[in-house]
Amino acid sequence: NAGVTQTPKFRVLKTGQSMTLLCAQDMNHEYMYWYRQDPGMGLRLIHYSVGEGTTAKGEVPDGYNVSRLKKQNFLLGLESAAPSQTSVYFCASSYYNSPLHFGNGTRLTVT
Amino acid sequence: RKEVEQDPGPFNVPEGATVAFNCTYSNSASQSFFWYRQDCRKEPKLLMSVYSSGNEDGRFTAQLNRASQYISLLIRDSKLSDSATYLCVVNSRGGSYIPTFGRGTSLIVHP
Repeated sequence: NAGVTQTPKFRVLKTGQSMTLLCAQDMNHEYMYWYRQDPGMGLRLIHYSVGEGTTAKGEVPDGYNVSRLKKQNFLLGLESAAPSQTSVYFCASSYYNSPLHFGNGTRLTVT
Repeated sequence: RKEVEQDPGPFNVPEGATVAFNCTYSNSASQSFFWYRQDCRKEPKLLMSVYSSGNEDGRFTAQLNRASQYISLLIRDSKLSDSATYLCVVNSRGGSYIPTFGRGTSLIVHP
């Protein structure tokens, strides 16, 4: 049982480059989330999805886009990376109001 | 005012000590509450859910006070392995269940 899988685990980008982070869950969860974590800031919600084909903005959505074409996958895109997007990104999923299950995280550095 | 607030600490305690953390939340419509543990910027892991009647899991006790809008975590007989950051999570329902994280409380248990 894999749970929540994030790829890649590490990435270094140059300013202006684009990339997509993939989150996959095998627990049939309706809700999926993307968070970023910066030192001293805690986890901040970027975007979330309450079901296949739906997405919504969280607390810090600027500079990111998401898609949920299949229930098990939630993609986070950076169209033009900026140094301010250097962070650790966590994907999570849940069954409605139940606890979150997290992926291992993606460590992104933008130079 | 942040929706979920925690004292960042660090709380520095000797092995065997009892330590308590509080977490306050601002949304009176919040519906579910959790404590997570996070080690060294790894993914957060569920420590325990918090129920209205209070609940205990071994050395850990969680309590909810809806009137004063706070939850607490008590750790008895602290172990070196308890050293970590403890995150408070509150689920509130607008149209969807959105988990909001506190910034975390750092615990250091020393010999």
